[in-house]
Order: sequence, then C-alpha cells, then structure tokens
Amino acid sequence: NSKVIQTPRYLVKGQGQKAKMRCIPEKGHPVVFWYQQNKNNEFKFLINFQNQEVLQQIDMTEKRFSAECPSNSPCSLEIQSSEAGDSALYLCASSDWGVNQDTQYFGPGTRLLVL
Amino acid sequence: GDSVTQMQGQVTLSEDDFLFINCTYSTTWYPTLFWYVQYPGEGPQLLLKVTTANNKGISRGFEATYDKGTTSFHLQKASVQESDSAVYYCVLGDMNYNQGKLIFGQGTKLSIKP
Repeated sequence: NSKVIQTPRYLVKGQGQKAKMRCIPEKGHPVVFWYQQNKNNEFKFLINFQNQEVLQQIDMTEKRFSAECPSNSPCSLEIQSSEAGDSALYLCASSDWGVNQDTQYFGPGTRLLVL
Repeated sequence: GDSVTQMQGQVTLSEDDFLFINCTYSTTWYPTLFWYVQYPGEGPQLLLKVTTANNKGISRGFEATYDKGTTSFHLQKASVQESDSAVYYCVLGDMNYNQGKLIFGQGTKLSIKP
C-alpha cells in the first residue's frame, strides 16, 4: 500500500482564489510527480521533481500553477487563480529512482472544486 | 506521440466469470507497462508491472503479457470476485524516457454482480 500523504482531501474555492495542496512522498523517494485527473478519468501530467529540482512541467503549470518540493518540507502545488476548469482530482505520486525506478506510488489525491 | 488505448469503457461480469480487458499501445520505444487499479475515493494503486526483460506479470490472480509484436498488454483474470470492482488503467512509462511521465489509457470500469 502506498504511503504517499496528500492534504487536504477536499478543497472548495471560488473562481480567482488561490488553491494550495500538499504532498509528502514515501520516505526515501526523491522523485515526485503531480497529475490532474478530470471527471472523465483522463490523466494529465503537470510537473515532476527530483529532490528540489523541476525535471519537466507543462505550459499550464508554468503559467498559472506554482509547485515546489523544498528540502525537509512537504511538496506543494498551488493554483494562483482558480478557474472552473481546474475542478479535478490532483494526484501526487513518488518514485524511488532505484530498482523500482519506473513505478510510481500514488496518494489518495486532493479533490478540488472551483465554484 | 505515445498513447495507450483501452476500447472497453465498462465491463460488467458475474462472480467467477473470466475477465479480459483489452489494451494496446503506440510508442517508438520499449517502455515498462503497468496495470493500475483505482477504487472509489482512492488514488491509483499498482496492480502489476512488466518490463521488456520479463514479458509477463502476475499479481493477485491477474496476469498480463507484454506483446511487442501486436503492441498489446491485455489484462486477464480467470475468476473475478465482487471485490475486483474498480477502474483499471493500462499505463506506459519509463524513467529513462520522457522524465518518467506516465501515460494512462482511458480506463475500464469493472462492475461485478454478486
């Protein structure tokens, strides 16, 4: 069972408001991913980190989202100005980049509703 | 670009029926292939994983075979139980390619009638 922790589990925001969610990866996992799962069960990769460094991110993440994985603190994903289309389940996953380097372990997600 | 296709959006079976979920993929490389399962209110969890080295994965009675010739990775189970009801995703990924980003299929919702 995954030990990735995500908080909060549910988040309700108005349009234009900031929305921030956090993730604690499995212990010893240096690589963290964020995905967005919409109501049609489509997954969109947002950003990933190795330790504190961004490996890759999509355009949307660069413009309206900010994310970080500081040393000794939870990783975070923040939407600067929420839009209705941002309503989705935000999933954090981590990987050990070792023997099981391809395997990502997911947390339960933060369900964001933008009114 | 890389893609994964699951044509069956929903499958409904009775307990002890045989399960077959179709998955095909398209890519120019040889990724690791996964099946993840997602229960309501939870994140996806790894069901099984197959690399190019081992070709076949088996876990909890489920099995899938990596077929490079037909680019398929179908999921099978001989006898399903009500507890298998969930959404199943065929996924491809590789840390050495595309920075490890996973590519998910559309998902197949499995419903088991008691």
